[in-house]
Amino acid sequence: DAGVIQSPRHEVTEMGQEVTLRCKLISGHNSLFWYRQTMMRGLELLIYFNNNVPIDDSGMPEDRFSAKMPNASFSTLKIQPSEPRDSAVYFCASSFGAGVTDTQYFGPGTRLTVL
Amino acid sequence: AQTVTQSQPEMSVQEAETVTLSCTYDTSESNYYLFWYKQPPSRQMILVIRQEAYKQQNATENRFSVNFQKAAKSFSLKISDSQLGDTAMYFCAFMNPLSNSGYALNFGKGTSLLVTP
Repeated sequence: DAGVIQSPRHEVTEMGQEVTLRCKLISGHNSLFWYRQTMMRGLELLIYFNNNVPIDDSGMPEDRFSAKMPNASFSTLKIQPSEPRDSAVYFCASSFGAGVTDTQYFGPGTRLTVL
Repeated sequence: AQTVTQSQPEMSVQEAETVTLSCTYDTSESNYYLFWYKQPPSRQMILVIRQEAYKQQNATENRFSVNFQKAAKSFSLKISDSQLGDTAMYFCAFMNPLSNSGYALNFGKGTSLLVTP
C-alpha cells in the first residue's frame, strides 16, 4: 500500500513568489497534519485537518500561509508571498484518526529554499 | 504544553554494539503515547517504536526496545546490535492534546546517531 506522498521533493524559489506544496494521504486515513522542520525550531505542527475540516491552525505562522483539503485524500499548503525565513522541510503526515492511539505516518517531506 | 527533552545532541556507537538514547518529558496527562521516530539522511520520518503509558511492559521491535519509567517521565531507546543503516537522527515524540480536539506530535530536538564500522 502506498504511503503518504508529497510533491515536489525539492522546491527552490525567489522571495515574493507563491509556493504550493502537495500531499496525498494514505488511503482510508481521515486526519492530516502539516509539520515544518527547521534547525532553530525543530519539528513543529502547522495545521491539522480531520475529515477535511481544519481543526487546529494555531501553528500557522501568519496570513501568508494557507492550507486546504479539497477532498478526503489530498491537501495543499500554500505560501504567498514566500520569504527566505520560510526555508525549511515541510512534512505532511496522516493517520486513521486523531486520537491519542492513532499513529501518524509521514511523507518524505518537501525541502523548500526561498532565495 | 507538554515538553520533550533529548539531552544528547550527538552520539556514536560501533557496529554490533548497543547504544541507548535518552528522552524525558513533562505532562499532566494520565494516558498518553510516546514514540521514537528515525530520520535518516533521506529525510524520511520513520516510526521506530511506540509505547502506551498504561502498559507497564516495555515495547520491543526487533533490535529496538524502550525503557519506559513512568514515574521518572523517562523514555529511552535502546538499539542492540547496531548496524550502519541505523545512522540517523532520532526523535522522541509525545502525543500532545490540541486545544480544540485531537492530538498531534510534540517532538524533542533530536539525537544524531552515527554508527561506525
